[in-house]
Amino acid sequence: EVQLVESGGGLVKPGGSLRLSCAASGFTFTNAWMTWVRQAPGKGLECVGRIMSKTDGGTTDFAAPVKDRFTISRDDSKDTLYLQMNSLKTEDTAVYYCTTDMGDVWGQGTTVIVSS
Amino acid sequence: QSALTQPASVSGSPGQSITISCTGTSSDVGGYNHVSWYQQHPGKAPKLMIYNVSYRPSGVSNRFSGSKSGNTASLTISGLQAEDEADYYCNSYTSSSTRVFGTGTKVTVL
Repeated sequence: EVQLVESGGGLVKPGGSLRLSCAASGFTFTNAWMTWVRQAPGKGLECVGRIMSKTDGGTTDFAAPVKDRFTISRDDSKDTLYLQMNSLKTEDTAVYYCTTDMGDVWGQGTTVIVSS
Repeated sequence: QSALTQPASVSGSPGQSITISCTGTSSDVGGYNHVSWYQQHPGKAPKLMIYNVSYRPSGVSNRFSGSKSGNTASLTISGLQAEDEADYYCNSYTSSSTRVFGTGTKVTVL
């Protein structure tokens, strides 16, 4: 079964850090470009960032609101994608989804709450 | 990168057809045939309904169709059914090598 499972969400204070993980199964993760998408409470979807496959260069791109604060990495030996979030702000509060860049496979989402 | 513009809400009666528009610029919708559409029910993850403007993934009903003209993409749902009531988002590749979502449209089945 093709599946993505996120983990690592939780409550963190403003200025803090959190690392999200996304475990992939059922498809060739090594070849996949992967994207993180978030959705603030009651709001729409927002692309956070994307990482290419290593064979395509492994380059990352980020949306302006998170650039220089968030990083994306991947461990192809573990079929796992990561989102490292630093200097968190209250406006980063959202459900975070990992998805294939094509958008055909999504995880169930993990909730991040940034609050003092 | 600004969000693509969608109508906040669209409604229709069962059996009718509705169309949701998604307006961008020549740097996103108008410049690439990489427009996707997603359906999202409350509390659920988005589901891919259309990719590359007009292609349906396996398992998606043929009642859903996509098109594009200039800087505006459209999603048409024909034979509207109760289970189609959801939020719909368009998404496009951009000249910044990123992707951008639309503002979202709530579809109500009357």
